[in-house]
Amino acid sequence: AQKITQTQPGMFVQEKEAVTLDCTYDTSDPSYGLFWYKQPSSGEMIFLIYQGSYDQQNATEGRYSLNFQKARKSANLVISASQLGDSAMYFCARSDTGGFKTIFGAGTRLFVKA
Amino acid sequence: DTGVSQDPRHKITKRGQNVTFRCDPISEHNRLYWYRQTLGQGPEFLTYFQNEAQLEKSRLLSDRFSAERPKGSFSTLEIQRTEQGDSAMYLCASSLRTSQGDEQFFGPGTRLTVL
Repeated sequence: AQKITQTQPGMFVQEKEAVTLDCTYDTSDPSYGLFWYKQPSSGEMIFLIYQGSYDQQNATEGRYSLNFQKARKSANLVISASQLGDSAMYFCARSDTGGFKTIFGAGTRLFVKA
Repeated sequence: DTGVSQDPRHKITKRGQNVTFRCDPISEHNRLYWYRQTLGQGPEFLTYFQNEAQLEKSRLLSDRFSAERPKGSFSTLEIQRTEQGDSAMYLCASSLRTSQGDEQFFGPGTRLTVL
């Protein structure tokens, strides 16, 4: 099965430090998209960052950056200068060539300590 | 509010009853998705619409599940003869495919509890 693997069920980080959330994926599609979403305890899914499989540069959005290593099929999320409000579940996801069927990982719960 | 909306936010029903959920996507978005999320898991893809056409349906969707998007705007997800295993959060998302990708905007979800 083509799946998304997030090996860290839970992570702790000190406020103001950087943290990396791991994500690896399976795919046989030549073209695909990779996403990260944040889900706070309130439940809404919040889009963070997108990386296309043919993008030459790693995506960045403010404090979020995606460390994309295509040959290793990994798409790790880096959060710089962690804030208390970053405490949430984080999901990695992959869409297929058509861009519609999106597969999500099981998520990583991030705890930011003051 | 121009985000994705879902109604109802919570639904409690007895086993065997039918339920219907509604999703109103962002108005200019032509793509609409339904997902199911159980506690501690990521969302599981259920189905996808491009405009009014249902282009993909997960094997997770049994014959008791049906989704429609009659005019390419709002969508409904119906579950017939509900079972306790159907208890979950049902999420709707919409997107507009651009050269930058296909960012999906999610609604707040409908939490279904089957007693």
